[in-house]
Amino acid sequence: DAKTTQPPSMDCAEGRAANLPCNHSTISGNEYVYWYRQIHSQGPQYIIHGLKNNETNEMASLIITEDRKSSTLILPHATLRDTAVYYCIVFLGSSNTGKLIFGQGTTLQVKP
Amino acid sequence: SAVISQKPSRDICQRGTSLTIQCQVDSQVTMMFWYRQQPGQSLTLIATANQGSEATYESGFVIDKFPISRPNLTFSTLTVSNMSPEDSSIYLCSARQFTEEAFFGQGTRLTVV
Repeated sequence: DAKTTQPPSMDCAEGRAANLPCNHSTISGNEYVYWYRQIHSQGPQYIIHGLKNNETNEMASLIITEDRKSSTLILPHATLRDTAVYYCIVFLGSSNTGKLIFGQGTTLQVKP
Repeated sequence: SAVISQKPSRDICQRGTSLTIQCQVDSQVTMMFWYRQQPGQSLTLIATANQGSEATYESGFVIDKFPISRPNLTFSTLTVSNMSPEDSSIYLCSARQFTEEAFFGQGTRLTVV
């Protein structure tokens, strides 16, 4: 599975959009980009995933560049409850192994 | 989405003893996994729990230290054996249905004294 690179930390003002970048320059054509977050003392929570096209759900939007070497997770109106560690993971979604390998993630601090 | 329950949620154990952590999923799932999260660190995959066969361990983890069972498609256990203070961590169970996203339990916070 491809390796990802994320900034270790970011700040965002409450009510503003939080844009979290992820580089995955070695991604292969059939690997998906997944985003999870972990709020303090809780298990990781699935946010969104995509292959090529941009995706949006009730939690966030995922923008994947045309060459698929990077992506951005967008939380459109960040709240204090969005303070968490955000993990960008690339893996073969249909693989029989199906295992997620976590990097260090980005700690997002939403400030009042 | 699957709901995953872990027991116990936390425990304090004496060194040299063993603790078995249970993971129950509310629906049948193809794959189950066990992770460890040491204080201030990211999640590290321990093993894939295989139904009806021996677990598949990641580099650095061995069956003697972390025996795993998975008797059916909804349940798995992880045992932390012969514990030392270095085993103090959060242990997380994860489940995934083939091609779908993975879900996680709330974790078991283990302190070894």
